[in-house]
Amino acid sequence: NAGVTQTPKFQVLKTGQSMTLQCAQDMNHEYMSWYRQDPGMGLRLIHYSVGAGITDQGEVPNGYNVSRSTTEDFPLRLLSAAPSQTSVYFCASSTQAPGFEAFFGQGTRLTVV
Amino acid sequence: ELKVEQNPLFLSMQEGKNYTIYCNYSTTSDRLYWYRQDPGKSLESLFVLLSNGAVKQEGRLMASLDTKARLSTLHITAAVHDLSATYFCAGASRETSGSRLTFGEGTQLTVNP
Repeated sequence: NAGVTQTPKFQVLKTGQSMTLQCAQDMNHEYMSWYRQDPGMGLRLIHYSVGAGITDQGEVPNGYNVSRSTTEDFPLRLLSAAPSQTSVYFCASSTQAPGFEAFFGQGTRLTVV
Repeated sequence: ELKVEQNPLFLSMQEGKNYTIYCNYSTTSDRLYWYRQDPGKSLESLFVLLSNGAVKQEGRLMASLDTKARLSTLHITAAVHDLSATYFCAGASRETSGSRLTFGEGTQLTVNP
């Protein structure tokens, strides 16, 4: 049971480069979301999805795009990387049914130089 | 908009002592989560609390929820070094049915021998 799988685990980008962070879950969860974690700030929501074909912005969406073509996958695209996007990124999946935990991937540590 | 505040942000305690971490939230929350994070690792789910008066216990940790006071607590009993980690609470507003979580800033707990 893989749970939530994120790739890559580490990435260094140059300013202006683009890349996609991958996230896949095998639990058939309706909800998926992306968070970034910066020191002293907890986790902040970037984008989220309540089902295939449906996405919405979170608290800090600027500079990021998402799509959800399947239930399993929720990639996060950085369009033109900036040093301010240096962070640890976590993907999470959950279900609408209350009482069930939200599962997190192992994280992607991104450095933009 | 749901806001979540934790206190204290830093907690240094001796082994064998008891302490409580507090989590206040601003609006009606559908569910309240507690997570543990070790340095460089992902988030590990500890508890999901759904209803007023809910209490859950696992080992030396006990979480409770008071929806009227909009307060959740994480109580640590007879702390041991292995409990050293950062603890996050996160709420999900009723309007979004748990699709998006709002995190507190985290409480960095250090248990000293």
